[in-house]
Amino acid sequence: KNEVEQSPQNLTAQEGEFITINCSYSVGISALHWLQQHPGGGIVSLFMLSSGKKKHGRLIATINIQEKHSSLHITASHPRDSAVYICAVPKDFGNEKLTFGTGTRLTIIP
Amino acid sequence: EPEVTQTPSHQVTQMGQEVILRCVPISNHLYFYWYRQILGQKVEFLVSFYNNEISEKSEIFDDQFSVERPDGSNFTLKIRSTKLEDSAMYFCASSEGTGGGNSPLHFGNGTRLTVT
Repeated sequence: KNEVEQSPQNLTAQEGEFITINCSYSVGISALHWLQQHPGGGIVSLFMLSSGKKKHGRLIATINIQEKHSSLHITASHPRDSAVYICAVPKDFGNEKLTFGTGTRLTIIP
Repeated sequence: EPEVTQTPSHQVTQMGQEVILRCVPISNHLYFYWYRQILGQKVEFLVSFYNNEISEKSEIFDDQFSVERPDGSNFTLKIRSTKLEDSAMYFCASSEGTGGGNSPLHFGNGTRLTVT
């Protein structure tokens, strides 16, 4: 069973700051998902990555397969980035069943 | 952009009643999922569905739960004889490929189920 740990649990930052959220997992995987959960509850998929780095706008996700670790970075953070960011991985390699982290609650203050 | 749609957005039901949560996945997607999030807790996998059958299910997905794709567009989660602890947000998701590991997931906005 894959164990997922995210840090920090809560993060408050000033607008414009560079944000880093971390995710570690215990079992080798085929891909890792980063999700954003809005205050209203809806979930949006931000990234799915299996190696290296992906970038979308101000968001960057990296993964180190050997170290079983991924990071989500937000550059030039903005109050609209305030949300819960969730990391999710398959139970084991290629498995359909995802295990979710507890999420990082990000608050960006204007 | 195509969306996954879920209805209703809120459902209140009495303990012991049956509920059906409905989802319309993205039309060319082949894999469908239900997830649950109890208030204040993390998201949990319930079930995955491919080729008209369940491909994976969690320990939570017991005989009380069933899923169905009754036609070419809808994907439903039925909860028989609801319990208080079934109160949660239920999310439907779909993906083109094996979403658990290899394809991005597209989520609906969720159905908030309250069992009284």
